[in-house]
Amino acid sequence: QVQLVESGGDLVKPGGSLRLSCAASGFSFSDYSMSWIRQAPGRGLEWLSYISKSGDDIIYSDSVKGRFTISRDNAKRSVFLQMNSLRADDTAVYYCARDITVPGDTYYFHYWGQGTMVTVSS
Amino acid sequence: QSVLTQPPSVSAAAGQKVTISCSGSSSNIGDNYVSWYQQLPGTAPKLLIYDNYKRPSGIPDRFSGSKSGTSATLDITGLQTGDEADYYCGTWDDDLSYGRVFGGGTRLTVL
Repeated sequence: QVQLVESGGDLVKPGGSLRLSCAASGFSFSDYSMSWIRQAPGRGLEWLSYISKSGDDIIYSDSVKGRFTISRDNAKRSVFLQMNSLRADDTAVYYCARDITVPGDTYYFHYWGQGTMVTVSS
Repeated sequence: QSVLTQPPSVSAAAGQKVTISCSGSSSNIGDNYVSWYQQLPGTAPKLLIYDNYKRPSGIPDRFSGSKSGTSATLDITGLQTGDEADYYCGTWDDDLSYGRVFGGGTRLTVL
């Protein structure tokens, strides 16, 4: 069955960096695009970043553009989120999700990981 | 502030039907498919509905989705206590460079 397992969440000071990982299994990873989505405590879902199946197409939300970098390693069946210049409002649970994107047609997130907690505090 | 508007909370008695709305505009719901996600307490979101009304394998037909104009609705019939969760709508917004948006979420309470 499809499994996505995030890791790398931690307590980090403002201005610090963190790298999240998402390990995929149960499907042909290189055939699917992926996204990172976060949820601040007690808040709703916020989409952050998208990477196409080849890694050639990358998109960021305005809130993380220039600070976060998404990447993937299809050989290791993993997607990553490098987070720099972290702020208190980046505190959230971070989810990776298998992204179904057909431009001009359909967009949704079929499978989600269990999430990893990032806390930004001094 | 999300571009998709959902009621913060809804409630209904067990066995009854509840409708959760998701209101948008011509640049998002009016022009694109809608998906719905269920987030049970303390767990990750799960895809419930995609392409406005389609259910992934394993989702019971008590859950149904529809869209009309710039609004979408999620109907849940035969409510069970296990349906208590947060529900989110999502779609693409043509006016945003990154496109992907969620509603603010609706907390369902089963009385």
